[in-house]
Amino acid sequence: KAGVTQTPRYLIKTRGQQVTLSCSPISGHRSVSWYQQTPGQGLQFLFEYFSETQRNKGNFPGRFSGRQFSNSRSEMNVSTLELGDSALYLCASSLRQGDNSPLHFGNGTRLTVT
Amino acid sequence: AQSVTQLGSHVSVSEGALVLLRCNYSSSVPPYLFWYVQYPNQGLQLLLKYTSAATLVKGINGFEAEFKKSETSFHLTKPSAHMSDAAEYFCAVSDGNSNSGYALNFGKGTSLLVTP
Repeated sequence: KAGVTQTPRYLIKTRGQQVTLSCSPISGHRSVSWYQQTPGQGLQFLFEYFSETQRNKGNFPGRFSGRQFSNSRSEMNVSTLELGDSALYLCASSLRQGDNSPLHFGNGTRLTVT
Repeated sequence: AQSVTQLGSHVSVSEGALVLLRCNYSSSVPPYLFWYVQYPNQGLQLLLKYTSAATLVKGINGFEAEFKKSETSFHLTKPSAHMSDAAEYFCAVSDGNSNSGYALNFGKGTSLLVTP
C-alpha cells in the first residue's frame, strides 16, 4: 500500500507570496492532519480534516488554512508568507477510529521563505 | 491539554550498548502514547504505541517501551544499539475527543547518536 505522498518536496518562496502544499493520504484513510516542524518550536499541530471537515485547529494565524477533498486528498495554504514560516510541513493520515489511531506521516515539504 | 516531556535533547551511546530515551507525560486520564522516529530528510515513522492493553509495548526495530503510571513515564529502550538507530526520537500523546477532533502533542525530541 502506498504511503502518504506530499508534493512538492522543496519550495522556495519570497516574503508576501502565498504557497499551496499538497498531500495524498494512504488509501482508505479519511483523516488528514498537518504539522509544522521547526528547530525552535519543534512539531506543532496545524489542523486536522476528517471527511472534508476541519475537526481541530492548532494555534496558528488565519494565514494558515487548509481543505480536504472528497477523495481525502488535502491541501494547505499559507498566505502572505513571513520569514518565520520557513519550516518542514508534515502531512499525516489516519484511520481515525479513535484517539489511539496512529498517524502515518509523509516525508514533508521543506518550505524556505526568503 | 495533555503533554509529554522528553528528558535529554541529545543522547550518545556506543554501538551494542543499551538505549534509554526518557519521556514523561502529563495527563489526568489514561493517555494514548506514541514513540516516533525521524531519520534525516524524512517524515516520522511510528515505533510503537501504548493503548492500555499492556504496560510493556514492543515496537519495530527491537525497541520497546514500558508504561509506568506511578512514575507517569513511558521510556523507550533497546537492549543493543545499532549504528542505524541514529536518528531523532519523538514521544507524543493524543489529545482531543471525538467531537473536537484529535491532535498529537509531541515532545521536543531526543537526538540519538551511536558511536562505533
